[in-house]
Amino acid sequence: GDSVTQMEGPVTLSEEAFLTINCTYTATGYPSLFWYVQYPGEGLQLLLKATKADDKGSNKGFEATYRKETTSFHLEKGSVQVSDSAVYFCAPYSGGYNKLIFGAGTRLAVHP
Amino acid sequence: EAGVVQSPRYKIIEKKQPVAFWCNPISGHNTLYWYRQNLGQGPELLIRYENEEAVDDSQLPKDRFSAERLKGVDSTLKIQPAELGDSAVYLCASSLELVDEQFFGPGTRLTVL
Repeated sequence: GDSVTQMEGPVTLSEEAFLTINCTYTATGYPSLFWYVQYPGEGLQLLLKATKADDKGSNKGFEATYRKETTSFHLEKGSVQVSDSAVYFCAPYSGGYNKLIFGAGTRLAVHP
Repeated sequence: EAGVVQSPRYKIIEKKQPVAFWCNPISGHNTLYWYRQNLGQGPELLIRYENEEAVDDSQLPKDRFSAERLKGVDSTLKIQPAELGDSAVYLCASSLELVDEQFFGPGTRLTVL
């Protein structure tokens, strides 16, 4: 069935460091791809998305590119801030099951 | 515009007791979802509504879980009786249409003792 594999956390970085969180998926066809973020004590919120191959989603300095050939959607940010500390979820939309398939989440901790 | 509202935020009960969670989606959103999020894991879909119709409840443990969405707006998720393994965060989300961005509520953290 459709699935997603995320880089295990926690990821601990210093402020202004470069961030990469890897995400690969298996899905039928070409699903839309999403990154959601969950800040402490809050619900999940959409960070960015891409709907077709080679699309780049971006928001708040974060980027991810839909790579069809490697079935990946890695999340990157050039310079993280303390306020980016959160749990990040990669989620392809499964057309076969008509639902988002969430990864286990990657916890990011950024310290000054 | 108000986001997805859930209540209560926290609930502690003893096993075998019943419990109910309430969700008010964003106004105008036709699709409503209930998810369960276990500690350290991503959310897993329990049930999805299109208006008042439950169109995907394949992951809902029907022996003890039930849900309703009367009039296609608010929704209630119930567990009766609760078991220790039901301890989790229960998330409600809504979207305009099926494949659109989903907006999540803050969740209800359930602890079963």
